[in-house]
Amino acid sequence: DAGVIQSPRHEVTEMGQEVTLRCKPISGHNSLFWYRQTMMRGLELLIYFNNNVPIDDSGMPEDRFSAKMPNASFSTLKIQPSEPRDSAVYFCASSSGVDYGYTFGSGTRLTVV
Amino acid sequence: AQSVTQLGSHVSVSEGALVLLRCNYSSSVPPYLFWYVQYPNQGLQLLLKYTSAATLVKGINGFEAEFKKSETSFHLTKPSAHMSDAAEYFCAVSRNSGNTPLVFGKGTRLSVIA
Repeated sequence: DAGVIQSPRHEVTEMGQEVTLRCKPISGHNSLFWYRQTMMRGLELLIYFNNNVPIDDSGMPEDRFSAKMPNASFSTLKIQPSEPRDSAVYFCASSSGVDYGYTFGSGTRLTVV
Repeated sequence: AQSVTQLGSHVSVSEGALVLLRCNYSSSVPPYLFWYVQYPNQGLQLLLKYTSAATLVKGINGFEAEFKKSETSFHLTKPSAHMSDAAEYFCAVSRNSGNTPLVFGKGTRLSVIA
C-alpha cells in the first residue's frame, strides 16, 4: 500500500488566491482526518469524515475553509480566499478504527505570501 | 473532553543515555494513547499505541511506554539514545471507540548529543 497520499507537497500562493489540498486515504480506511500544524498552535484537528460524511468541522477556522469527501478514495481541503496566516503544514490521516491507529500523509506545506 | 500535556518542549540527552519523554493525559472515558514521531519535513509516524491491553507497550526503534492510570501518565522511554532518535515526539489521546480523532500534545523536541 502506498500509504496516505497528499498533493501537492509544497504550495506557494499569493494572498487572495484559492488553494486546494488533496488527499487519497488508504484503501479500506473509512475515516479521514485533516489536521493543521503550526509552531504556535501545534497540531489542530480541522475536520473529520466517517464513511465520507463530515462528522465534526468545528475546528475549521473560518468560512474561508471548506472540505469535501466525494468518495472513499478522495478528499479536498479548500481555502478561498487564502491569507498569510493560513501558512502551515496541512496533514491528512486515515484510519479503519482507533484500535488500528491512524496513518498520516507526508503533509502539504502551504505558504501564502 | 480529552487532552494531553507533554512536559518539556525540548529534551536533550547524550548518545547512549536514557530517553524519557513525559506525557500526562486527561480523559473522562478510558483512553487510547499514542506516541508519534516526526522527523524534519516529514509526516507523523506511529511509534506505539495503548489500546487497553497490556499496560507496558513496546513500539518501534526500541521505544516503550507504560500506561499508569493512577498517575494519568503515558511516558515514553528508550534505554539508550541514538543519534537517529533526534526528532519531534507527540503524545496523543483518543476515545476508545469508533473512529474518533486524535488530540495531540504540543510535542517534545529530542536532541541527542554525541
